[in-house]
Amino acid sequence: GNSVTQMEGPVTLSEEAFLTINCTYTATGYPSLFWYVQYPGEGLQLLLKATKADDKGSNKGFEATYRKETTSFHLEKGSVQVSDSAVYFCALNRYNNNDMRFGAGTRLTVKP
Amino acid sequence: DVKVTQSSRYLVKRTGEKVFLECVQDMDHENMFWYRQDPGLGLRLIYFSYDVKMKEKGDIPEGYSVSREKKERFSLILESASTNQTSMYLCASSFTSVTYNEQFFGPGTRLTVL
Repeated sequence: GNSVTQMEGPVTLSEEAFLTINCTYTATGYPSLFWYVQYPGEGLQLLLKATKADDKGSNKGFEATYRKETTSFHLEKGSVQVSDSAVYFCALNRYNNNDMRFGAGTRLTVKP
Repeated sequence: DVKVTQSSRYLVKRTGEKVFLECVQDMDHENMFWYRQDPGLGLRLIYFSYDVKMKEKGDIPEGYSVSREKKERFSLILESASTNQTSMYLCASSFTSVTYNEQFFGPGTRLTVL
């Protein structure tokens, strides 16, 4: 079945450090891939998405590239800020299918 | 902007009580979902609905039921709450799309069952 595996946390970084959160997936067909972010006390918000191989999603300085050959969708940011502290979820959704699968989440803490 | 609202942010109930969690979306989405979120387990789908009066079981439906009488509203019901249902409950909604199905989430209800 479809599943997502993401890097276990927690991750603690200093401000302006480089961030990578790894995400790999298993799916039949051609899934769409997402990164959601959950700030403290809030629900999930879509951070970025990619719908086909080699697409790059980007938002708020975060990027992720849909790599079909390695079945990966790693999240990166060149310089993190304290305000980026949150839990990040990788997710996939098959084409025209409601079955969205989430990773376990990675908690990021950025220290000043 | 899509808005998904949930009736309570925090709820404390006793074992055996019947609990109703309400979710409302204002964007005319066909699909609505209930998840529970637990540390280390991510989000797990309880039930979803793709139309009024329609429902489908997710991965962990046991101990829960749902109701969708109107398109904008999706209710999660715990018939007899138990301590292992203490969790964060998240509601989401989406359009039915031929490309991808981005889901929009509410703020969550943190339920404690004593």
